[in-house]
This record gives sequence, C-alpha cells and structure tokens, in this order.
Amino acid sequence: GIQVEQSPPDLILQEGANSTLRCNFSDSVNNLQWFHQNPWGQLINLFYIPSGTKQNGRLSATTVATERYSLLYISSSQTTDSGVYFCAASRYNTDKLIFGTGTRLQVFP
Amino acid sequence: GAVVSQHPSRVICKSGTSVKIECRSLDFQATTMFWYRQFPKQSLMLMATSNEGSKATYEQGVEKDKFLINHASLTLSTLTVTSAHPEDSSFYICSAKLTGRASSYNEQFFGPGTRLTVL
Repeated sequence: GIQVEQSPPDLILQEGANSTLRCNFSDSVNNLQWFHQNPWGQLINLFYIPSGTKQNGRLSATTVATERYSLLYISSSQTTDSGVYFCAASRYNTDKLIFGTGTRLQVFP
Repeated sequence: GAVVSQHPSRVICKSGTSVKIECRSLDFQATTMFWYRQFPKQSLMLMATSNEGSKATYEQGVEKDKFLINHASLTLSTLTVTSAHPEDSSFYICSAKLTGRASSYNEQFFGPGTRLTVL
C-alpha cells in the first residue's frame, strides 16, 4: 500500500512565526488531505488538495503530485494553531485514506 | 455542510460486554464510510471500509468477528465491538465520503470520535 511520511515530527514556535510542514507519499494519489486534530480529538479538514495550491487565511497548501509531496504553510502562527497536523493520502483506484505519523505543533506566546 | 456525527462520544464498559458506536452523515448521503482507530499519541489506522447494502471490507489484522460493521442506510454506519477487552480501549473515528459528486472527488469528512474504555 501507499506510504505516507510527515516531517518534522515535532515543531515548537513562538507566536507570529511561520512554518512549513511536509508530507511525502510513495505512489500516485487521487486524494491528499490535511487535517488539524484538536485537543478533543476532532479532525478538522484544512485542505483537500490532490494537486495544485490552495489558500485559506493564514494557511496554504501545495501538492506537487509528480514529485509526490505536499506542503502545508502556516503564517503568523497563533497559540490556537497548536495541536497535531496530519496529512493523509489514497492511491488511485482506492478510497482508503492512509495517514501520516503527524506533526505535533506547539506555539508559545 | 458535510457534517458527520458519532454517538456516543465516550463509553466505559466492563470486559466481555459489547458496545455499539453509531456514525451518521447529517447533511449528505454516503455510500461509503470508514472506521479508524487511534491509540494515544499515535496516528489513525484504518480498520475497515463500510459499504451501504453490502459487507464491510476489513484491513489486514482486524478481526471481522470482533468488530462488526453494519451500513444499513446511506446516512448510518455502526461499529459493534463484541466481547470487549481492555486492549480494545481506544479512540474510534469514522469518516464518510460524499456521494453524488464527480467520481474524481474523494474528500472525506470525519466524525468527532468515540473514546472507548474497557475496564
């Protein structure tokens, strides 16, 4: 099956800093999603981005499908951005979404 | 739109009992739903794919007789943990894929999760 790897595993930032989270995947994909898991466990959909670039406020994401990676950018980070960020991907001809190991982000005031 | 609910949000049960968890798509139809399990400080692991009107497909290593899945309608899938044991304690999360969009659209939406504790 498809392998999904995320880096870095942990990230500590001061409020106002920018960051880039990376997701590498091992096969062609028909789905690539970024999530933020809040302290109660709810997965918040950030981006559905099997290819291309999208922006939503301080967050943006880019997927380069031909090179099998996706990046999540967080600008002007806030303490409320803290939590675990997951990317997940599914291979062509399947709906099975495979999750990466996550990046744990801590933003301090 | 695209809201998925789960019930209960938290359940504590005695070893040997069975627990049913419901997953509902509130404002859309979903022919396909998915069940995941997450242990503390770990990622989500896909357990099974639930298809409306047919048998579920289980991932390797997941016991189908222990984790019974029923997808009786386009908005409801249930996961029953049978004869639960302490090692089944975990966070169970469902997701649903929108039906009716273009076949190339594959976004999934996740429920809030159910925290199961088996004593």
